[in-house]
Amino acid sequence: DAGVIQSPRHEVTEMGQEVTLRCKPISGHNSLFWYRQTMMRGLELLIYFNNNVPIDDSGMPEDRFSAKMPNASFSTLKIQPSEPRDSAVYFCASSPSGRNEQFFGPGTRLTVL
Amino acid sequence: TQLLEQSPQFLSIQEGENLTVYCNSSSVFSSLQWYRQEPGEGPVLLVTVVTGGEVKKLKRLTFQFGDARKDSSLHITAAQPGDTGLYLCAGAYQAGYALNFGKGTSLLVTP
Repeated sequence: DAGVIQSPRHEVTEMGQEVTLRCKPISGHNSLFWYRQTMMRGLELLIYFNNNVPIDDSGMPEDRFSAKMPNASFSTLKIQPSEPRDSAVYFCASSPSGRNEQFFGPGTRLTVL
Repeated sequence: TQLLEQSPQFLSIQEGENLTVYCNSSSVFSSLQWYRQEPGEGPVLLVTVVTGGEVKKLKRLTFQFGDARKDSSLHITAAQPGDTGLYLCAGAYQAGYALNFGKGTSLLVTP
């Protein structure tokens, strides 16, 4: 079975540009999570969805960040405009209904110059 | 403030040594999980513990959930270079809800 798929794996962009990260969760999983990982702050939850509905977005840093889940098999995390402090590895994870076990994608390493 | 505190932050040992890493919190969790993350990859689930005092073994890894369900430990016997990675603990208040992750213990095992 395919795991969680994320694209792109690496993204280098300039400050002020729009960045879109993509995630395909494991089929049948109904919860989807977006995380950001840095050395300083570790793994931080940005937002999570249950059945395509955003449940908690309190971790989203500011209005420059937005996330959507238009259907059960696709989600995006958008940063507009991007800033150098957004540089991090962004992970998407999914989990089955009613379970806590999360399955992570390989991450997108974002560098904003 | 980090909800889950992991210690030590970094650990460098030689192959064959034993080690224990800790995950502590003032909060009570319904379950606690341990993940291992290798460089350039996402975290991978190792184990879930749900009952206070529970002990689970995964080959050379032994996981224990504290009696009060606030803390956990991971013991590795006879560490091998393949055990190198970042070990993350994560607590859940309820099934199906978001996890709270610690910052991890970075383990390096040298031959």
